[in-house]
Amino acid sequence: GQNIDQPTEMTATEGAIVQINCTYQTSGFNGLFWYQQHAGEAPTFLSYNVLDGLEEKGRFSSFLSRSKGYSYLLLKELQMKDSASYLCAVKNGAGSYQLTFGKGTKLSVIP
Amino acid sequence: DVKVTQSSRYLVKRTGEKVFLECVQDMDHENMFWYRQDPGLGLRLIYFSYDVKMKEKGDIPEGYSVSREKKERFSLILESASTNQTSMYLCASSNTREQFFGPGTRLTVL
Repeated sequence: GQNIDQPTEMTATEGAIVQINCTYQTSGFNGLFWYQQHAGEAPTFLSYNVLDGLEEKGRFSSFLSRSKGYSYLLLKELQMKDSASYLCAVKNGAGSYQLTFGKGTKLSVIP
Repeated sequence: DVKVTQSSRYLVKRTGEKVFLECVQDMDHENMFWYRQDPGLGLRLIYFSYDVKMKEKGDIPEGYSVSREKKERFSLILESASTNQTSMYLCASSNTREQFFGPGTRLTVL
């Protein structure tokens, strides 16, 4: 079966760094995605990892360890506009375009 | 920029009605998806399609059907709406990597 776990909620201070973890057990693996979703809006793509290691994109970085079934999203220099839900999703296998999503982590950035 | 549009942002229907949700993408993507999103349950895949007239069941297809007559358009059909289908419905499209989402339709079934 498919199981993706991430914390339900997190709170962090403006200007700080926050790490959102995601662990997965899936029947296949062909990449891990992070999406950002502001309240009432559609999810938007943040990052994609298919090989182990860290991918950096501006203030956001994403890490993957396939052997551990683990990923994290790192947000630096937090801004109020980063308050949103962050969704971890796994692509199940080669040739499949399906994603299995975690339930999302609601991040609140406070002054 | 990829654009995925959905026919309505908000929709209110009565129990037993037949409901059509339309999704259109303008980037010639092969794959299209319908999800519903509920608090505490996250995004769950209802149906997807990887080509015109092709469809595959997702994790929760019961009570739903789909239609893909043209590449750019993917419709979700609730044959007889029920109150437990009150939800946010999100359409997405993709080619080889990330999925691009439409703005969503918040459906309320009374």
